Amino acid sequence: GENVEQHPSTLSVQEGDSAVIKCTYSDSASNYFPWYKQELGKRPQLIIDIRSNVGEKKDQRIAVTLNKTAKHFSLHITETQPEDSAVYFCAAHNQGGKLIFGQGTELSVKP
Amino acid sequence: SAVISQKPSRDICQRGTSLTIQCQVDSQVTMMFWYRQQPGQSLTLIATANQGSEATYESGFVIDKFPISRPNLTFSTLTVSNMSPEDSSIYLCSPVRASGRKGADTQYFGPGTRLTVL
Repeated sequence: GENVEQHPSTLSVQEGDSAVIKCTYSDSASNYFPWYKQELGKRPQLIIDIRSNVGEKKDQRIAVTLNKTAKHFSLHITETQPEDSAVYFCAAHNQGGKLIFGQGTELSVKP
Repeated sequence: SAVISQKPSRDICQRGTSLTIQCQVDSQVTMMFWYRQQPGQSLTLIATANQGSEATYESGFVIDKFPISRPNLTFSTLTVSNMSPEDSSIYLCSPVRASGRKGADTQYFGPGTRLTVL
């Protein structure tokens, strides 16, 4: 079945630096790739998503890129702030109509 | 996005008992996904529930352990039966309203139910 690998598992950056989280997927039929941010004790929140007909999407300090040929997609956060600290999950929507999640990346932004 | 509520928000239960988790949405949705998130882990899909049909379970999950009801288009329940400490997790519902667009629909999550089994 579909498999989504996410790296790194933990990431620590200084405030103001950029953070990049990468995911690879196995099902070439996957066509939708959302990213979720989960703060401690809270539900996962959708922060950005990209569909397979687009290579890049940006929303203020957050951007996502998709390389369908290589089957990988990445989350880029620029000018990181302490409130960006959270666990981030990538996901891929597979042919069976289900979201398959990566293992998560714990991002820590140090002031 | 729809307003999603879950009850209870948390519970502490004894081994061998069962707990029913409710998920209520403020608008009609097509599909209801139920996920489990074990401590420090990612989200794992338990089952998919459509109104008027039996839920479809993922590998490793069975109806006897996790019975699901979907009586209408705004409500669903997940029961965790005969609980053991290994069932201690956060359980999240995720309703999806089919937009009719080509491709996947956006998926949001309920606030979760934090279950501790002693």
